[in-house]
Amino acid sequence: AQTVTQSQPEMSVQEAETVTLSCTYDTSESNYYLFWYKQPPSRQMILVIRQEAYKQQNATENRFSVNFQKAAKSFSLKISDSQLGDTAMYFCAFMKQGNDMRFGAGTRLTVKP
Amino acid sequence: SQTIHQWPATLVQPVGSPLSLECTVEGTSNPNLYWYRQAAGRGLQLLFYSVGIGQISSEVPQNLSASRPQDRQFILSSKKLLLSDSGFYLCAWSSIGGGMGEAFFGQGTRLTVV
Repeated sequence: AQTVTQSQPEMSVQEAETVTLSCTYDTSESNYYLFWYKQPPSRQMILVIRQEAYKQQNATENRFSVNFQKAAKSFSLKISDSQLGDTAMYFCAFMKQGNDMRFGAGTRLTVKP
Repeated sequence: SQTIHQWPATLVQPVGSPLSLECTVEGTSNPNLYWYRQAAGRGLQLLFYSVGIGQISSEVPQNLSASRPQDRQFILSSKKLLLSDSGFYLCAWSSIGGGMGEAFFGQGTRLTVV
């Protein structure tokens, strides 16, 4: 079974600065999807960004970008110009196409004013 | 557009009582369906997933069960709740095959077993 590891239980960053959240995964598959989800205090799961494994180009969504290293099985999330509203739990997730989605343990990010 | 409904939002149940949480999806057909549990301050643990009516895969042996009586309905059940069943339960769906693979989540059910 695939596993997803987030080695940073908690992180903090000053408003307007940049922070990077780490994620590694283990799989023997060659085709899969990777995701970062945000869970604010409301506990609603919100998709932040996705990456298809067959794409070499790193995904970018406004202030959010990823560093996808397929050979190293690494998928980090960079948040630029951090905002107070970015404070949340962040989960890295892995999905084989058409199959179950596995999540990491999460990183609690606090953006300080 | 697709929507997912999950209820109830909050539930307090005594130990040994039965449980039934329901999740329905609108605006799509033949979705993958998932039940996750999240303990306080922790990650999401996959409990069950289903790729079709009557097809349930269980990830963690426990006193919970899941059923999919209709294409877009997914039910999480227990005959007798344990204290350890307390947590936040999330239902989710994703597209089978095509699409971007992402999962869409319901609002969650906060279950407290007392």
